[in-house]
Amino acid sequence: GESVGLHLPTLSVQEGDNSIINCAYSNSASDYFIWYKQESGKGPQFIIDIRSNMDKRQGQRVTVLLNKTVKHLSLQIAATQPGDSAVYFCAENFGQNFVFGPGTRLSVLP
Amino acid sequence: SQTIHQWPATLVQPVGSPLSLECTVEGTSNPNLYWYRQAAGRGLQLLFYSVGIGQISSEVPQNLSASRPQDRQFILSSKKLLLSDSGFYLCAWSVGDEQFFGPGTRLTVL
Repeated sequence: GESVGLHLPTLSVQEGDNSIINCAYSNSASDYFIWYKQESGKGPQFIIDIRSNMDKRQGQRVTVLLNKTVKHLSLQIAATQPGDSAVYFCAENFGQNFVFGPGTRLSVLP
Repeated sequence: SQTIHQWPATLVQPVGSPLSLECTVEGTSNPNLYWYRQAAGRGLQLLFYSVGIGQISSEVPQNLSASRPQDRQFILSSKKLLLSDSGFYLCAWSVGDEQFFGPGTRLTVL
């Protein structure tokens, strides 16, 4: 259902390390999934997407993995950089609806 | 290319005052339009979405309302603001699967 009012979990990683951000989605009928990055004071920005007929998709430094069996989505960021510090949201789409996860705050340590 | 505008960028209003936030989209026709609210440090909550002029679906009962007087214009309103209406309001559009966000309006109700 709707994104719930949970405080954001935080992931801290060392600069240069890989980051993995996880998300559980709610609707087994969802057929399209998106990862967004939101920097402070700005709207979310599209990073990468994946359809339900795929289980992996790669972009530049980012990879999304989809496990439909357990309704789990992950975002992997390779060689994390300071500019990757932000809040990351997953979203599932079915019909007209986009339902967002609560978000994860990624902090990149120097 | 498509562009989405929101204004104002920031707004401070007293409790009980009215509200009008505007969102316009350029470069696309017949988009689905959405209003989300994001409380500080939290995820996105869908408030309204619209699949066409005059067609509004409400996801959360509250003292807010939305209108779509033109194809690419989406307005969020309130007759009397509450303290709990403070937050970051995001407009988004979609055509097909992908969804894109505006820059947001930060509303503080005092």
